[in-house]
Amino acid sequence: QSALTQPASVSGSPGQSITISCTGTSSDVGSYSLVSWYQQHPGKAPKLIIYEVTKRPSGISNRFSGSKSGNTASLTISGLQAEDEADYYCCSYAGSSTFENWVFGGGTKLTVL
Amino acid sequence: QVHLAESGGGVVQPGRSLRLSCVASGFTFSSYGMHWVRQAPGKGLEWVAVIWYDGSGSYYADSVKGRFTISRDNSKNMLYLQMNSLRAEDTAVYYCSRDGPTAAAYDAFDMWGQGTLVTVSS
Repeated sequence: QSALTQPASVSGSPGQSITISCTGTSSDVGSYSLVSWYQQHPGKAPKLIIYEVTKRPSGISNRFSGSKSGNTASLTISGLQAEDEADYYCCSYAGSSTFENWVFGGGTKLTVL
Repeated sequence: QVHLAESGGGVVQPGRSLRLSCVASGFTFSSYGMHWVRQAPGKGLEWVAVIWYDGSGSYYADSVKGRFTISRDNSKNMLYLQMNSLRAEDTAVYYCSRDGPTAAAYDAFDMWGQGTLVTVSS
């Protein structure tokens, strides 16, 4: 199973909005609503920010939102803040009736200018 | 407060074995599926293995199938990863993660430990 495709880097100024894309296939992103997004600061563990394509865990700012169209999922961060600078990873369930599998994207480094 | 803490990492020679442990607290461990996810130095995240809430089912990434075994002891709130025939490419930080936030079926990796570093080198 190939990794999901994300842009290597994106950037934006404080207050702006950015969108990170995550492209998979009809075997993963296109088939399931189990797409999630993770934020990882340097030297820290990943943190769940979006699950089931659009849902936010308790305590996650509503500046983070998720969507999906076909085989591509997207994470939008509005009102960029300095603390949003981090690596972001998408993930999709990619299993079937005979095996279980999860695939991650290669990660996107967000720079807040 | 949910807390996951891994241990057991270290430096090991290729071909040798290592067992990682993860102790869970702050939630009903026996109600949740659990995963191991790893991250090679400077690289992205890679799913490694999952075990069902009751231990009755487990699945592995192709890269570790036949070499790694995931297990759990619900009486001790412990998750394990037995790693055999280790290779240089297994070098990574290994995270234990809860499948949540709901306990039913698969969802996302909603809680993570701080990770433990495994280095496979001669």
